[in-house]
Amino acid sequence: QSVLTQPPSVSAAPGQKVSISCSGTTSNIGNNFVCWYQQLPGAAPKLLIQDNNKRPSGVPYRFSGSKSGTSATLVISALQTGDEADYYCATWDASLSAGVFGGGTQLTVL
Amino acid sequence: EMQLVQSGAEVKKPGESLKISCKTSGYDFGSYWIGWVRQMPGKGLEWMGIIYPDYSETKYSPSFQGQVTMSADTSISTAYLQLSSLKASDTAIYYCARALDGYSSEPYFFDSWGRGTLVTVSS
Repeated sequence: QSVLTQPPSVSAAPGQKVSISCSGTTSNIGNNFVCWYQQLPGAAPKLLIQDNNKRPSGVPYRFSGSKSGTSATLVISALQTGDEADYYCATWDASLSAGVFGGGTQLTVL
Repeated sequence: EMQLVQSGAEVKKPGESLKISCKTSGYDFGSYWIGWVRQMPGKGLEWMGIIYPDYSETKYSPSFQGQVTMSADTSISTAYLQLSSLKASDTAIYYCARALDGYSSEPYFFDSWGRGTLVTVSS
């Protein structure tokens, strides 16, 4: 059971927009910044979003992040088939004094 | 260019020990936290812990505290993850990654990752 809760799967058609939620508590998301990773099949994870909404260099504008209270959201717009991957949220948990990941969300682009 | 190059796949028997390496280049190894993430077959990512090489300070997830040992050799810019008394349930891909804090007070995100080391534990 992951500390952060994500939907197991989401799907949308190419060109559409999809949102992936990440729910936590005041011990983690509520009092820390959130990041998001993309893991393509058979590959290592890649950082997509840091500090709630900042895109590292090279990450397309189609990927955006936000945070409100104890939840965070990753939005991917103008979906492409190449976006099919697993997406993970992560943050620091003060109670655990450790980082934590969400359980991951599998994105299918229909 | 920053690189994290992990050691190759391993096949071990239950009860054996293993030390995985992660050789880095392209940045000041000693001045950044470096961490380890486990991914069991078909499962999600698990945050194991991080180490600050210059001080050998470690922060372990409670789930892995006492089960693994992280170390680093600044002379060769290499981090290590030691797994002892291996069990079949230790079968997984283990990733090393550089940890940063951004706006946070804690090094909570990983900006650059190794390709992973597959560890298979089987009798």
